[in-house]
Amino acid sequence: NAGVTQTPKFQVLKTGQSMTLQCAQDMNHNSMYWYRQDPGMGLRLIYYSASEGTTDKGEVPNGYNVSRLNKREFSLRLESAAPSQTSVYFCASTQVMNTEAFFGQGTRLTVV
Amino acid sequence: GEDVEQSLFLSVREGDSSVINCTYTDSSSTYLYWYKQEPGAGLQLLTYIFSNMDMKQDQRLTVLLNKKDKHLSLRIADTQTGDSAIYFCAETDTDKLIFGTGTRLQVFP
Repeated sequence: NAGVTQTPKFQVLKTGQSMTLQCAQDMNHNSMYWYRQDPGMGLRLIYYSASEGTTDKGEVPNGYNVSRLNKREFSLRLESAAPSQTSVYFCASTQVMNTEAFFGQGTRLTVV
Repeated sequence: GEDVEQSLFLSVREGDSSVINCTYTDSSSTYLYWYKQEPGAGLQLLTYIFSNMDMKQDQRLTVLLNKKDKHLSLRIADTQTGDSAIYFCAETDTDKLIFGTGTRLQVFP
């Protein structure tokens, strides 16, 4: 039982490059989330998907796009990476809102 | 908007009690949570409290909720070196989970 799987685990990008972070969960959860974690700032919500077919902006959506490809997968895309997007990114899922969140292991992204 | 605040660091001696504090702003949260993050890993749920409760005890963990002051605390009794981690409190908005800034707990011998 893998839970929430994120790929890649590490990535270095040059400013202006694009990339997609992948996330998949095998728990049949309805809701999925993308957070970024920065020192002293905790976890900030980038985008979330309350259910398959819906996505909504979180606290810090600028510079990102998401796709809820199906119930299992929720990807995060950086179209033109900037150094300010250097961070650790976490994907999470919940069965429904207000239930336990399960997290992936994180993607450490560096933009140079 | 929602805002969840915590102190950034806490250092305690092994065997002592640790108290991690959190203040939140959304009084409509149904549940309030404590998550633990060990180095290089994602967050894992540690415990939670329903908003109509004042206290919840779970082995070495005690959660206290003061709804009037919007204050949540986590007490860890007999703190061990394995408790060293970052602890996040979280509240729920209607359709999303909002985390605090995290408190790094360091336990020394």
